[in-house]
Amino acid sequence: GENVEQHPSTLSVQEGDSAVIKCTYSDSASNYFPWYKQELGKGPQLIIDIRSNVGEKKDQRIAVTLNKTAKHFSLHITETQPEDSAVYFCAYIGVTGGGNKLTFGTGTQLKVEL
Amino acid sequence: GAGVSQSPRYKVAKRGQDVALRCDPISGHVSLFWYQQALGQGPEFLTYFQNEAQLDKSGLPSDRFFAERPEGSVSTLKIQRTQQEDSAVYLCASSQYRTGEETQYFGPGTRLLVL
Repeated sequence: GENVEQHPSTLSVQEGDSAVIKCTYSDSASNYFPWYKQELGKGPQLIIDIRSNVGEKKDQRIAVTLNKTAKHFSLHITETQPEDSAVYFCAYIGVTGGGNKLTFGTGTQLKVEL
Repeated sequence: GAGVSQSPRYKVAKRGQDVALRCDPISGHVSLFWYQQALGQGPEFLTYFQNEAQLDKSGLPSDRFFAERPEGSVSTLKIQRTQQEDSAVYLCASSQYRTGEETQYFGPGTRLLVL
């Protein structure tokens, strides 16, 4: 079935350090991999996404890498700031089941300490 | 422009009551999704609409859950005879087109507590 494993579940870094979150998925036909940030009491907000025709995408301090062979994708945040503290979810849209629904990871609670 | 809005933001129901949760998607968005998010977990898919057609309801946990989008814009998720296990945040998302590989924009969610 559709499944995505996300690690670590919690991550604490010092301000200015980098943070890396990794996900592994099961649906080999997946082509779209978004990352969402969720703050307390709010809905998930898209921060970056990647499609299977590229291996890496960068947007300022945020980058995502994709290894389709290994079915891994990762989120990299550089120069972390306190406002980066939130829960981050990886997700993918599988081709099975209609090709529209997002399957989410279990989330990573990122805490950026001063 | 305006994002996805949901109402109410919070709902407390007694076990056995019926509840209705409303979603206003971004204007003009073709696709609308409902997800359920338990405490400390990622969102889980419930159902999907393309305009007024409900194309996938494979994630609805029981026949007590019912969703509609009669005019292809506003959607309502109804839960009949609520149970304690229904307590969760219910998220609505919309996307512009009908293809799968595009951004889904989420609303703030409705937090449902069943006592």
